[in-house]
Amino acid sequence: EAQVTQNPRYLITVTGKKLTVTCSQNMNHEYMSWYRQDPGLGLRQIYYSMNVEVTDKGDVPEGYKVSRKEKRNFPLILESPSPNQTSLYFCASRLTGDTQYFGPGTRLTVL
Amino acid sequence: AQSVTQLDSQVPVFEEAPVELRCNYSSSVSVYLFWYVQYPNQGLQLLLKYLSGSTLVKGINGFEAEFNKSQTSFHLRKPSVHISDTAEYFCAVSGDDKIIFGKGTRLHILP
Repeated sequence: EAQVTQNPRYLITVTGKKLTVTCSQNMNHEYMSWYRQDPGLGLRQIYYSMNVEVTDKGDVPEGYKVSRKEKRNFPLILESPSPNQTSLYFCASRLTGDTQYFGPGTRLTVL
Repeated sequence: AQSVTQLDSQVPVFEEAPVELRCNYSSSVSVYLFWYVQYPNQGLQLLLKYLSGSTLVKGINGFEAEFNKSQTSFHLRKPSVHISDTAEYFCAVSGDDKIIFGKGTRLHILP
């Protein structure tokens, strides 16, 4: 089944404790991205990647890192999480210009 | 650069009544347009998309949208809503490398 998977689905952590949210897709898509969703603000892009070893900042990249060592994986790293990064995070992938497929979301709470 | 405006943050409508969710975009290049739906506590899934061809696009669950280039609009419509249509709806535009989402419209179905 074609899908985007994210792990973990739920995470509660404390300020400053490094964490990684994994994302994997099995559709051989070149393009992958990370979004955060906050009430009243819709979806905001954090980072995106056009292909392996090619990443670029989205609209809200501060406090986040990504890497794209393999085509299928695009982990999101928070080196020192802060409470303002409490949010719902979505990973997505697509072929250029076409439908974006979303993962199920990761709800992160930073205390 | 592209932008998307969803004119209504919330739309209440009675069950079996018609509904229109409005979306306007701006772009300096040719665009692809999408509507995504997010049911409560779920990720986003594609409702319909316009890539080229006929300006009237039909999607899942009886929804349709019309691409109007002169008005730079891509409004979503359904002739008769059901309680199961309760969700948040996102309009999105993709042109060059990025896909930009609107802030979402929450559809409330009234019994």
